Amino acid sequence: GAVVSQHPSWVICKSGTSVKIECRSLDFQATTMFWYRQFPKQSLMLMATSNEGSKATYEQGVEKDKFLINHASLTLSTLTVTSAHPEDSSFYICSARPPRGGPTYEQYFGPGTRLTVT
Amino acid sequence: DQQVKQNSPSLSVQEGRISILNCDYTNSMFDYFLWYKKYPAEGPTFLISISSIKDKNEDGRFTVFLNKSAKHLSLHIVPSQPGDSAVYFCAAGRYDTGTASKLTFGTGTRLQVTL
Repeated sequence: GAVVSQHPSWVICKSGTSVKIECRSLDFQATTMFWYRQFPKQSLMLMATSNEGSKATYEQGVEKDKFLINHASLTLSTLTVTSAHPEDSSFYICSARPPRGGPTYEQYFGPGTRLTVT
Repeated sequence: DQQVKQNSPSLSVQEGRISILNCDYTNSMFDYFLWYKKYPAEGPTFLISISSIKDKNEDGRFTVFLNKSAKHLSLHIVPSQPGDSAVYFCAAGRYDTGTASKLTFGTGTRLQVTL
């Protein structure tokens, strides 16, 4: 259980175009999903918290107009990188948290999406 | 401000021996801690967690120890296997009044288990 999928697994786009990444919880409903970004050999940096039916909460320094997040249902959140530039090239990972069953709020991660902007 | 730190970027251990990965934190308000394992170009996989009211949690070959006074936790893997070779992240979180509880991740330790 607690499987999270992401699509696509990798994408190459031209500078100035937009790219949408999907994150799905396959066997549970997730009222909250999270979007992270990881640069090579660095830690996971939380970009935003996606809440079903409401606006996402962005971390400090993350441009909400550039990284559009939509949590349309209890099993789907999308991240759209708008007007992508080469510096947006990164590994984007989503996570979801199943309904709480224990004392710790484990998040389960998708396999990640490698974005390359040329 | 790096609230969760893993001071050893890499660790090499022989197969069959114990692997000990360490993590320090600065925020005494964290309520729970987790360890994740990550392979390149994949998402992290949840391994084990511990609540701040506990000092030890064990699951098979994995044991997490928490020393609140020292703000330190460690992950022990016994016996280490070649398949354990990966990057290990510790993470910490707080209970929120709302539905979202964010995790703060450490910088990771690359474990290499040699034959």
